[in-house]
Amino acid sequence: DAGVTQSPTHLIKTRGQQVTLRCSPISGHKSVSWYQQVLGQGPQFIFQYYEKEERGRGNFPDRFSARQFPNYSSELNVNALLLGDSALYLCASRTEQGRHRAEAFFGQGTRLTVV
Amino acid sequence: QQQVKQSPQSLIVQKGGISIINCAYENTAFDYFPWYQQFPGKGPALLIAIRPDVSEKKEGRFTISFNKSAKQFSLHIMDSQPGDSATYFCAALDRGSTLGRLYFGRGTQLTVWP
Repeated sequence: DAGVTQSPTHLIKTRGQQVTLRCSPISGHKSVSWYQQVLGQGPQFIFQYYEKEERGRGNFPDRFSARQFPNYSSELNVNALLLGDSALYLCASRTEQGRHRAEAFFGQGTRLTVV
Repeated sequence: QQQVKQSPQSLIVQKGGISIINCAYENTAFDYFPWYQQFPGKGPALLIAIRPDVSEKKEGRFTISFNKSAKQFSLHIMDSQPGDSATYFCAALDRGSTLGRLYFGRGTQLTVWP
């Protein structure tokens, strides 16, 4: 079975540009979350989507937005990029059902570098 | 405010030794505590997890010890191997919340010397 897949794996953008990151969850998983991991830190929660509805967002500015599609894949958009947005962006999927509903599985991440 | 505090920041252990990583939390609503292993350039991989209704969970060489009254939990890696060298993150989740947000510790960089 395929795990969580993210694309692209690496990305270099210039300050002020916009970026779109993509995530496909594990088959059967309806919940997708996005996390930002700065070098040397633990992942920080950005968004969670379940059944195409936003359940919540973390402490990130409005430049960050996301959506979930009918096939449960998701996109994370970041506008007006800043140098501080350079990080590993992680997508996690969960089944939200049954005894394994809490288990979150992460993709390999997208390494975004803003120059 | 850091919801989950993790220590030590780095750990060096000889091959065959025991690696111990500690975490503490304040929010009593947390009721699911996973540990993740992350290699450079990769995403975190779920290693083992525990719920607060048990005090210990063991899977192979990995054991979680949980102390509900102290609001602390720890990961023990027995017979540590060079292949265990990675960054380990503890995390916590409130399963009753619809948000499903994981709160992570800052991570522990483990190095196992051969």
